[in-house]
Formats: sequence, structure tokens, C-alpha cells
Amino acid sequence: QQQVKQSPQSLIVQKGGIPIINCAYENTAFDYFPWYQQFPGKGPALLIAIRPDVSEKKEGRFTISFNKSAKQFSLHIMDSQPGDSATYFCAASYSGNTPLVFGKGTRLSVIA
Amino acid sequence: GAGVSQSPRYKVAKRGQDVALRCDPISGHVSLFWYQQALGQGPEFLTYFQNEAQLDKSGLPSDRFFAERPEGSVSTLKIQRTQQEDSAVYLCASSLPQQETQYFGPGTRLLVL
Repeated sequence: QQQVKQSPQSLIVQKGGIPIINCAYENTAFDYFPWYQQFPGKGPALLIAIRPDVSEKKEGRFTISFNKSAKQFSLHIMDSQPGDSATYFCAASYSGNTPLVFGKGTRLSVIA
Repeated sequence: GAGVSQSPRYKVAKRGQDVALRCDPISGHVSLFWYQQALGQGPEFLTYFQNEAQLDKSGLPSDRFFAERPEGSVSTLKIQRTQQEDSAVYLCASSLPQQETQYFGPGTRLLVL
């Protein structure tokens, strides 16, 4: 059973567009929801993270929207740039220092 | 400062060979995690340590996989009698005590022929 479901698998947007990536989770005990960005040949790097007591968090051009009742959260990238072209992973974990459960990833291409 | 480092970056092994993958966490990071990332997939949890204690190894796919962190710093993931299905990128991550943010290394890409 996949605990974190991510969509879409791939996404192509024009420069300046606002790609939206969605994730849904099953386990209501999850308490921490990060988004990671991964470039080819590199390890994942944390972009932004949120807890369930907050409905939205914004850092620079990246925004997480969180819907606790629907068990869904999403990443919005404002004013997307070609340099944002990468694979994005949502994840979830229990509180404290515990292993992350990742979605399958979304490959984003931003074309000029 | 230095991030998480992993070595080797690439490893080609013949089926049946044993391999050892090394992870050097960020200095002062108590927790250390190992993940396996198959091509085109998200990372999947293998095992993790707090200092030298292995707290969870439920993600290790078989008893051919073994991890250790004897002095609470460097960790080694060992795979015995490698199989083709072991081909993947093995990622290591570390984190500070009581903080959820995990910092990932570049990974070791293992190819078993």
C-alpha cells in the first residue's frame, strides 16, 4: 500500500507559469510534510516543509498548501524558471527524527 | 560547511560479489538514514541509526543487506552476494537531534551485472 501518492508523474510548463504538484497521504499520524528537489546525479535537497496545524506556508517562490481533512498537500512554484526543471518529491514522516516516506516524484520541465 | 559525503559515487559489481558503501554524515548529526532509490522512483527507507544504535532496519529488503555505525559517525551499508535487483542509487541522509530536516548525500549508484 502506497502511503504517499503523488501526481502528476510529469509536468511541462512555460517560463513564468505556476506548476502545481499534488500529494495525498493515508496515515493520519504523519506530522511532518517536506518537499524535496532533486537534480540528476544529485541527492534530494529540502525545499520547504509544513506541519498539519498550518494550512499554508510560503518560502520565496515556493508555497505549500495543506488540507488536513482531505489528507492532501500541494506544492506551488510561482514564476517558474528553466532552472526549476528537476524532479520534485513530497514526503511524510512521524514527529521527531523518523524515516521519510516519499512519493514517486514529479519530473518538472520549465521551457523558455 | 561540508555536507553529507558518500563513497564510492559509482560501483559496478558482478552478480554474487559483496559491496560496501560508505556514508560520512555532517559533523554533529546524531541521526543517519539509508534509502534506496530505484530508477525513476522515490527514495525508499532501508534503515536508520541514532548515534551507534540501529533503531529500525525494517526496510532492509533481505538478510543480504547489513548496515553498521560502530562509533556513531561514519556508516557502512554492506550488500552480500549482490543480485541484479540490487541495482539502484543508495542515498544516505543525516540530521540533528530533534530536528526533522534530513540532509542527503549525492548517493552511490550501484550497478550489478
